[in-house]
Amino acid sequence: EAGVAQSPRYKIIEKRQSVAFWCNPISGHATLYWYQQILGQGPKLLIQFQNNGVVDDSQLPKDRFSAERLKGVDSTLKIQPAKLEDSAVYLCASSPGLAGNEQFFGPGTRLTVL
Amino acid sequence: EDQVTQSPEALRLQEGESSSLNCSYTVSGLRGLFWYRQDPGKGPEFLFTLYSAGEEKEKERLKATLTKKESFLHITAPKPEDSATYLCAVQPESNYQLIWGAGTKLIIKP
Repeated sequence: EAGVAQSPRYKIIEKRQSVAFWCNPISGHATLYWYQQILGQGPKLLIQFQNNGVVDDSQLPKDRFSAERLKGVDSTLKIQPAKLEDSAVYLCASSPGLAGNEQFFGPGTRLTVL
Repeated sequence: EDQVTQSPEALRLQEGESSSLNCSYTVSGLRGLFWYRQDPGKGPEFLFTLYSAGEEKEKERLKATLTKKESFLHITAPKPEDSATYLCAVQPESNYQLIWGAGTKLIIKP
């Protein structure tokens, strides 16, 4: 079974530039998550999709972050414009459903904002 | 406010030296408590889910236990390949979001 795919693995940008991350979840998984993980901290949920609908985006900085999951399969997360404090690893995860299911994580994208 | 606190932040053990990691939580109704392992440069990897106080689960040298206020991850006779950061997360009954601790970095020296 193929795992969660993410690209790119690394990205370096200047502040105020834009960046986009892509995620392809495990086939058949209805729920997709985007997390931000700052060094030394646990993951912080940014947005959670169930199929192509948003379940929770309460911690997404909507003035600069956006995400979509067209057709309920793969997803993109965009930051525009980036700030220095956005430097982090962005993790994508998927699970079969919402409640009590293990989440399968991709390798993450390490973003550095200079 | 729902929160998760893990201790210690880091733990260095000799190979074969057993120990425990702690995850303390406050949540208004627990749907589930999760343990994950994270290696450097990788995403977290699922280990266990615990649902109710008194529940225990085992996998190789790891055993997870749950009370109403905390969970322990016991590591018996660890090997260097057990070195990783161990993350704890809780899912409250009120929503489906996981609330994560900061993790315990475990280093096993040969």
